Amino acid sequence: DVKVTQSSRYLVKRTGEKVFLECVQDMDHENMFWYRQDPGLGLRLIYFSYDVKMKEKGDIPEGYSVSREKKERFSLILESASTNQTSMYLCASASPRQDSYNSPLHFGNGTRLTVT
Amino acid sequence: GQNIDQPTEMTATEGAIVQINCTYQTSGFNGLFWYQQHAGEAPTFLSYNVLDGLEEKGRFSSFLSRSKGYSYLLLKELQMKDSASYLCAVRAPREAGTALIFGKGTTLSVSS
Repeated sequence: DVKVTQSSRYLVKRTGEKVFLECVQDMDHENMFWYRQDPGLGLRLIYFSYDVKMKEKGDIPEGYSVSREKKERFSLILESASTNQTSMYLCASASPRQDSYNSPLHFGNGTRLTVT
Repeated sequence: GQNIDQPTEMTATEGAIVQINCTYQTSGFNGLFWYQQHAGEAPTFLSYNVLDGLEEKGRFSSFLSRSKGYSYLLLKELQMKDSASYLCAVRAPREAGTALIFGKGTTLSVSS
């Protein structure tokens, strides 16, 4: 079974702090994604990565950056946390292989971040 | 732009059949996924459609019509544990590669 692990289940940070959300997957997947999930807005794509050191902006990248130094690890960084970044953050990974083009996303359990 | 629509809430009773609809307008299409998400948990994969037609998987079936930009998830013999949010997602091309774009989800409540 694919395992996607997010380092924290709950985080409380202050406005202006730099915040790191860590995600590790154990299936050697090339593709990794960060989403945030808010009531009434659903899951929205922040950033994704198709290879080490590679990153692509999703639909709402403003206020975020990412780091992919190793294949198994994809970090989301909030350079200066703001209250509107209070949300549930979900990391996911997937295999890009042609024979598994229908490969679904495998999600971590999420990090609920509160910025006060 | 990208737009995926599904009803916000639905209710049904145990043993019944429910159909959750999803319509999409995306710049490109590489498949449609359905996920189930129980409160406080991560989404889990239910089904995938890339060609028109019905895919059946036990009590759950998913249908796709690409010409209409339409899909539905059919849940039969409903059980209380089916109370959850159901997320429709389209794999769409991006500047580099593809990514899943999600609808806002349909919260299904199953009562006895």
